[in-house]
Amino acid sequence: GIQVEQSPPDLILQEGANSTLRCNFSDSVNNLQWFHQNPWGQLINLFYIPSGTKQNGRLSATTVATERYSLLYISSSQTTDSGVYFCAVELVTDKLIFGTGTRLQVFP
Amino acid sequence: EAQVTQNPRYLITVTGKKLTVTCSQNMNHEYMSWYRQDPGLGLRQIYYSMNVEVTDKGDVPEGYKVSRKEKRNFPLILESPSPNQTSLYFCASSTKRDSYEQYFGPGTRLTVT
Repeated sequence: GIQVEQSPPDLILQEGANSTLRCNFSDSVNNLQWFHQNPWGQLINLFYIPSGTKQNGRLSATTVATERYSLLYISSSQTTDSGVYFCAVELVTDKLIFGTGTRLQVFP
Repeated sequence: EAQVTQNPRYLITVTGKKLTVTCSQNMNHEYMSWYRQDPGLGLRQIYYSMNVEVTDKGDVPEGYKVSRKEKRNFPLILESPSPNQTSLYFCASSTKRDSYEQYFGPGTRLTVT
């Protein structure tokens, strides 16, 4: 089956730093999404981005479907950005496959 | 307030005792889905439903059942729970496929002894 790999697995930043999270997938997909799980376990949809670039405040995402990867950029990180970031790909069968996540810790 | 609710939030049960975790959404979403989250494995999709009376298996459907008799509800049924089903479960719903923003419930932590 399709493999969805995220890197790095862990990331520690000081407040104000920028970071790039990567999601690689091994086969063609219908779409790709990014999610954030905060330290209390709540899951929030960040981007629905099958291709191209989207921005939402300090966060932006780019998906290059032909090269099978997506990037999530976090600029001027804040402690509230801490948590786990997941990418998930949707297959033609409508199944959703998640990566194992990047755990981000932002310290003041 | 737009939300996805799950009940119970916490459950400790014994092997073989049938249980149901309820999921309800008030956003008139067509798509609903169940996931389990385990350390080191991320989230894995159990079942999903594109609309009423339409359900499909996700990546890890074994040992689970679902039904979608009404648009707002999507219960997860464990007919004979086993310890390997101890996990954190999330229900989610979303709008039509082309917008697809998923809203997640708060999670149900299940322990099977």
